[in-house]
Amino acid sequence: EVQLVETGGGLVQPGKSLKLTCATSGFTFSNAWMHWVRQSPEKQLEWVAQIKAKSNNYATYYAESVKGRFTISRDDSKSSVYLQMNSLKEEDTAIYYCTRSSDYWGQGVMVTVSS
Amino acid sequence: DIQMTQSPSFLSASVGDRVTINCKASQNINKYLNWYQQKLGEAPKLLIYNTNNLQTGIPSRFSGSGSGTDYTLTISSLQPEDVATYFCLQHSSRPWTFGGGTKLELK
Repeated sequence: EVQLVETGGGLVQPGKSLKLTCATSGFTFSNAWMHWVRQSPEKQLEWVAQIKAKSNNYATYYAESVKGRFTISRDDSKSSVYLQMNSLKEEDTAIYYCTRSSDYWGQGVMVTVSS
Repeated sequence: DIQMTQSPSFLSASVGDRVTINCKASQNINKYLNWYQQKLGEAPKLLIYNTNNLQTGIPSRFSGSGSGTDYTLTISSLQPEDVATYFCLQHSSRPWTFGGGTKLELK
């Protein structure tokens, strides 16, 4: 059974950092292209970042809204993908989901940026 | 970026009704269009991928069609458990972009 479990969310002040983890199981993680997608309080979904597999040199891509602030990474030995979020803004408040190439999604983790 | 315009944003229908939801892309997305169902408090669940391919385990009353810029999700006979919000996603090019969602309720 494919599983994706996000952790690391919480309440953080503007300008601070947070790191999300997505632990996966049930598929060959090392071959998978992984993404982070977020859903705002208004329920709008927004793609955030992608990381490809080792065979694609772990290429990464970002939404313009997070470029330069967020970093996606992966550890194939742990079947996990990460999202390092720096210089957080109130508009980054959302539920963050990790997804395997848009088919399987985790349950999401809430990130609230507020003073 | 490719803009996805989803309609309607709200839909009320009766059990047994045929329901259609539409997504229009701002440019040709070559059938790289997925449909998702999201129930309250849950993650999106893939229903249809690449326009018309039914994801494993999804009831056959769900179907998808379309090409170019116009795509449709059809529920042939609405069931009570289909109450949810439905989203389309284009993955033809980065950044992926989503429709605004259709909230489906029972009449």
